[in-house]
Amino acid sequence: ETGVTQSPTHLIKTRGQQVTLRCSSQSGHNTVSWYQQALGQGPQFIFQYYREEENGRGNFPPRFSGLQFPNYSSELNVNALELDDSALYLCASSPQPTAKNSPLHFGNGTRLTVT
Amino acid sequence: DQQVKQNSPSLSVQEGRISILNCDYTNSMFDYFLWYKKYPAEGPTFLISISSIKDKNEDGRFTVFLNKSAKHLSLHIVPSQPGDSAVYFCAARTTSGTYKYIFGTGTRLKVLA
Repeated sequence: ETGVTQSPTHLIKTRGQQVTLRCSSQSGHNTVSWYQQALGQGPQFIFQYYREEENGRGNFPPRFSGLQFPNYSSELNVNALELDDSALYLCASSPQPTAKNSPLHFGNGTRLTVT
Repeated sequence: DQQVKQNSPSLSVQEGRISILNCDYTNSMFDYFLWYKKYPAEGPTFLISISSIKDKNEDGRFTVFLNKSAKHLSLHIVPSQPGDSAVYFCAARTTSGTYKYIFGTGTRLKVLA
């Protein structure tokens, strides 16, 4: 069973630039969620993708966007980067959005630093 | 508005003793509660969960207790081992709209040998 994989592991960008983070879901999982974990905080929900469509969003501005592909992998795009976007970005997969009592499985994250 | 709170940022326990990590929540619509463990440079790893219709769930050394009237969740680790040293996050799932998980800010557990 292949777990959740994310790339790259680390990234340094300049304020105003754009970034794309990638995630492959665990085998058998068709739902992908993205979370942002700032230093000293818990993960915060950005959005969720199911069947290639966004089906839930947290309190993040539209410059945070995503995609899901037919193989269930996903991308997180952030435009016009700000210093406060510096964080660990976590991807999590699950069997389906309404799977009863099925936990999220996380990747190891991408550490984004905005200078 | 922090709907899931972990009020203890850190906890130190002697090896072999019990570790008790606590979590409080405010939203009565949460239907599923989880604990995750996180080591540095790794993503959170699922540890144990409990449905809102239960009050206790055990898995080996780990037991989760849910007190719905007090809106309180706790994780007991017995006996604690040095390898348990990590940051522990509690999380709760909302049932309104899309399922999403709300995480606490974490408790850093240090088990002393």
